[in-house]
Amino acid sequence: NAGVTQTPKFQVLKTGQSMTLQCAQDMNHEYMSWYRQDPGMGLRLIHYSVGAGITDQGEVPNGYNVSRSTTEDFPLRLLSAAPSQTSVYFCASSSETGYTGELFFGEGSRLTVL
Amino acid sequence: SQKIEQNSEALNIQEGKTATLTCNYTNYSPAYLQWYRQDPGRGPVFLLLIRENEKEKRKERLKVTFDTTLKQSLFHITASQPADSATYLCALDHSGGYQKVTFGIGTKLQVIP
Repeated sequence: NAGVTQTPKFQVLKTGQSMTLQCAQDMNHEYMSWYRQDPGMGLRLIHYSVGAGITDQGEVPNGYNVSRSTTEDFPLRLLSAAPSQTSVYFCASSSETGYTGELFFGEGSRLTVL
Repeated sequence: SQKIEQNSEALNIQEGKTATLTCNYTNYSPAYLQWYRQDPGRGPVFLLLIRENEKEKRKERLKVTFDTTLKQSLFHITASQPADSATYLCALDHSGGYQKVTFGIGTKLQVIP
């Protein structure tokens, strides 16, 4: 049972480069989201999706793009990387029904932008 | 403005004692509050959820209380063990709908043998 899988685990980019962080879940969850975690700031919501074809912005969406073409996948795109985007990124999913709110997290992707 | 506060200082306790972690919030009216555990280099793992109409929830050695008047949740680990050492995050829902959850910065717990 894989749960939420994120790739890559580590990535180093130069300023201005673009890349995509991949996230896949095998639990048939409707809700998926991306967070970034920085020291002293906790987890902050970047974008989220409540189902295929539906996405919305979170607290810190600037510089990031998402799409949801399937229930399983929710990639996060950095359009033009900046040093301020150096962070640990977590993808999370949740069952939409029942509103229990339990989030299942991936293991994280550590991104460094030089 | 909306704020979630957890003790940013690490909490050190002796093995076997009860650890109590605090989560305070302002300008929220959450439908429910959650606690997560995070180990270094890992993603958070869900522990407990408590709803606004519940005062207390238990799971094995864990207990969570939720006081909507004080705007506070307490997280207790009884008979603590070194394996309980981790960072504990509180999180609350403020959207009432699609599970947009806001997290506190977490409290690092160190259980000393």
